[in-house]
Amino acid sequence: EVQLVESGGGLVQPGGSLRLSCAASGFTFSSYSMNWVRQAPGKGLEWVSYISSSSSTIYYADSVKGRFTISRDNAKNSLYLQMNSLRAEDTAVYYCARTGYWDIWGQGTMVTVSS
Amino acid sequence: DIVMTQTPLSLSVTPGQPASISCKSSQSLLHSDGKTYLYWYLQKPGQPPQLLIYEVSNRFSGVPDRFSGSGSGTDFTLKISRVEAEDVGVYYCMQSIQLPLFTFGPGTKVDIK
Repeated sequence: EVQLVESGGGLVQPGGSLRLSCAASGFTFSSYSMNWVRQAPGKGLEWVSYISSSSSTIYYADSVKGRFTISRDNAKNSLYLQMNSLRAEDTAVYYCARTGYWDIWGQGTMVTVSS
Repeated sequence: DIVMTQTPLSLSVTPGQPASISCKSSQSLLHSDGKTYLYWYLQKPGQPPQLLIYEVSNRFSGVPDRFSGSGSGTDFTLKISRVEAEDVGVYYCMQSIQLPLFTFGPGTKVDIK
């Protein structure tokens, strides 16, 4: 079965850090570029970051640039998002999603930034 | 950045009746490769978005044929020929022509009367 499974979310204080992971299975992970997309409570979808299949190309939304770092380990079929200097407005469900037809999404992991 | 707008933002539909959602982009989504990178998703409560339509009018695997997409350039439409109870949720359009600034519409909430 083709699937993505996120983990690593939780409650963190403003200014803190978290590392999200996304485990891929059922497809050739190394052949696909990947993304992180987030959704604040009761709000719409916001693209956060993109990484190409070989990690040679990386992009960030302006809202997270300089604070978040996307990476991947193709040998482990895993995608990561290192989030530093977290703010209350980063509170959201974070999804990993496969580019291409954007047809595969994980179930999401909740990140809450609050004191 | 390409801005995506949707109308209406909410829709209440009687089961068996049709429904239509409009999506407009601030720039053409037609790529030089001839494809138009417009997608439609349905997000049911508590679930991630699920792909319905890709590249304007291609129904994704397993999507019922009551869903159809049309449009070109900057104007697009998702139609549900006969709404069923399982179609409730929020519908989003998304553009992926402007790598890496993928953008989503604000969403259209559909519920059943």
